[in-house]
Amino acid sequence: EAGVAQSPRYKIIEKRQSVAFWCNPISGHATLYWYQQILGQGPKLLIQFQNNGVVDDSQLPKDRFSAERLKGVDSTLKIQPAKLEDSAVYLCASSFRDRDRNEQFFGPGTRLTVL
Amino acid sequence: AQKVTQAQTEISVVEKEDVTLDCVYETRDTTYYLFWYKQPPSGELVFLIRRNSFDEQNEISGRYSWNFQKSTSSFNFTITASQVVDSAVYFCALRGNYGGSQGNLIFGKGTKLSVKP
Repeated sequence: EAGVAQSPRYKIIEKRQSVAFWCNPISGHATLYWYQQILGQGPKLLIQFQNNGVVDDSQLPKDRFSAERLKGVDSTLKIQPAKLEDSAVYLCASSFRDRDRNEQFFGPGTRLTVL
Repeated sequence: AQKVTQAQTEISVVEKEDVTLDCVYETRDTTYYLFWYKQPPSGELVFLIRRNSFDEQNEISGRYSWNFQKSTSSFNFTITASQVVDSAVYFCALRGNYGGSQGNLIFGKGTKLSVKP
């Protein structure tokens, strides 16, 4: 079974530029998550989708971050404009909707460096 | 508020030693789930175990074992006879129903385990 796919794996941009990340979840997983992991810390949830609807985006900096999951499958996370403090690994995860099968499976992440 | 504390930032052991990674959590939920994930140098988070709040049985999987104690709000992870391949950052995480956000995993800061040959 294929895991969560993410691209690109690495991205280097200058501050004030825009960047987009793509995620394709595990087939059949209705719930998709984007996390930000700053070096030396645990991942922090940015946004959670259930199918194509947003469940939780309370920690998403909406002035510069946006995300969509238009057809309820793959998702895009965008940053515009980027700041130095956005340098981090952006992780996508997916899970079944079932409460009893709710473990999240993570993709390899996109490492973003903002110069 | 929900919180996960992993007090050990880094641990270094020699191969074949046993090692225990500590995890203490805080939550107001009566129903919640606890998780451990492994993050090797490649960066991908690997799911190890999920435990729900009603199941306090300890679990063993090969060289891995987990000790869940609600009385002390702890969910510790022991690796027996450690191997070099166990070197990674290990994260403990909590998922509850607080605020209606059933999917939100709250992670600790992680414990970096180095196993030397």
